[in-house]
Amino acid sequence: DAKTTQPTSMDCAEGRAANLPCNHSTISGNEYVYWYRQIHSQGPQYIIHGLKNNETNEMASLIITEDRKSSTLILPHATLRDTAVYYCIVRVWAAGNKLTFGGGTRVLVKP
Amino acid sequence: GAGVSQSPRYKVAKRGQDVALRCDPISGHVSLFWYQQALGQGPEFLTYFQNEAQLDKSGLPSDRFFAERPEGSVSTLKIQRTQQEDSAVYLCASSRTTGADTEAFFGQGTRLTVV
Repeated sequence: DAKTTQPTSMDCAEGRAANLPCNHSTISGNEYVYWYRQIHSQGPQYIIHGLKNNETNEMASLIITEDRKSSTLILPHATLRDTAVYYCIVRVWAAGNKLTFGGGTRVLVKP
Repeated sequence: GAGVSQSPRYKVAKRGQDVALRCDPISGHVSLFWYQQALGQGPEFLTYFQNEAQLDKSGLPSDRFFAERPEGSVSTLKIQRTQQEDSAVYLCASSRTTGADTEAFFGQGTRLTVV
């Protein structure tokens, strides 16, 4: 499975955009980039995923570089409730295509 | 139901006791995953079901761990002769299809504490 590299932690200002980077330099052509987040004492929450095109939904935007070796998750207007651990995952198209979680980025949104 | 439901939410077991953790996936979801999450760590894959078939159990840490999904809906993760190192949050996730382009939804987890 392709590995991902994320910053261990980052702080964001409430009301500002939060840009979370992820490197996945060994990604293959049939592998998707997924983002989940986990708020304390809850199960992981799906945010967004993409293959090669940029994606946007009601929660966030996902920007994938043209070579697909890195991506950025954008939370357009961070709120205190966005404080969580954010996981960038490369998902292999295979039997079961399990999600392999790394350490994630601990994001703290500050007032 | 609206989401993945797990029960119990909390379980305290004495060392050596057997436990059973239940997962009710979203209705109609084909794929079901179990994960184990130790304190301060990311979730670790345990096993995967496609309907009632257990296609991947490569993450089960020992033969004390057993999972089943006999009718392709509800799943049970059983841990025999629990040990202290089994203390963790056990997460279940389900997905509508088997494809990698379909998101998986997680339950709230069962926190197991072995004393």
